[in-house]
Amino acid sequence: SAVISQKPSRDICQRGTSLTIQCQVDSQVTMMFWYRQQPGQSLTLIATANQGSEATYESGFVIDKFPISRPNLTFSTLTVSNMSPEDSSIYLCSARVASGGRGIQYFGAGTRLSVL
Amino acid sequence: AQRVTQPEKLLSVFKGAPVELKCNYSYSGSPELFWYVQYSRQRLQLLLRHISRESIKGFTADLNKGETSFHLKKPFAQEEDSAMYYCALSNSNSGYALNFGKGTSLLVTP
Repeated sequence: SAVISQKPSRDICQRGTSLTIQCQVDSQVTMMFWYRQQPGQSLTLIATANQGSEATYESGFVIDKFPISRPNLTFSTLTVSNMSPEDSSIYLCSARVASGGRGIQYFGAGTRLSVL
Repeated sequence: AQRVTQPEKLLSVFKGAPVELKCNYSYSGSPELFWYVQYSRQRLQLLLRHISRESIKGFTADLNKGETSFHLKKPFAQEEDSAMYYCALSNSNSGYALNFGKGTSLLVTP
């Protein structure tokens, strides 16, 4: 298994500012992912952040808005840039851990972001 | 394209009654299917995955490739089962990212 620590757990931000969310894994993992969960909605993948390569973004998400860093095998950050109220969501990171020849994704507790 | 469908947004059952949360998927290859659960004020956690074929907290789920389904079942629901349940699909073509269904909120009443 893996323990994912994510911070901040919540924040209230002003329109036009940026917030960086940190995600720390207690073991080395190659694959990490960032998801968004809008109010009352399911999880949507923002990007895949594999160590040693550039992050891969899903349709509708761009690097200028959501820059991601993956400096090592245990850490990643997601920045929400130039925020607007529409960015108010829960942001979650996950890490894929090998298990039984396949993999399991473990999730952080999430960052609840409110943009005023 | 891959898709995960959970047709029930809310499912309410009485304690002790059987429960089945439906999940259908569309994917042409060999996917990995998962059930994740989120209890109130807790983080999302893995409940079951199809390859392990085990029972967790009394829940089971069988992958039916013919019907492209991965329904979650429990013969006798408990109040502590009340939570949000997400069915998810993963595959190598998508870099192993999870594609989630919209989720089913299960409410078990006494």
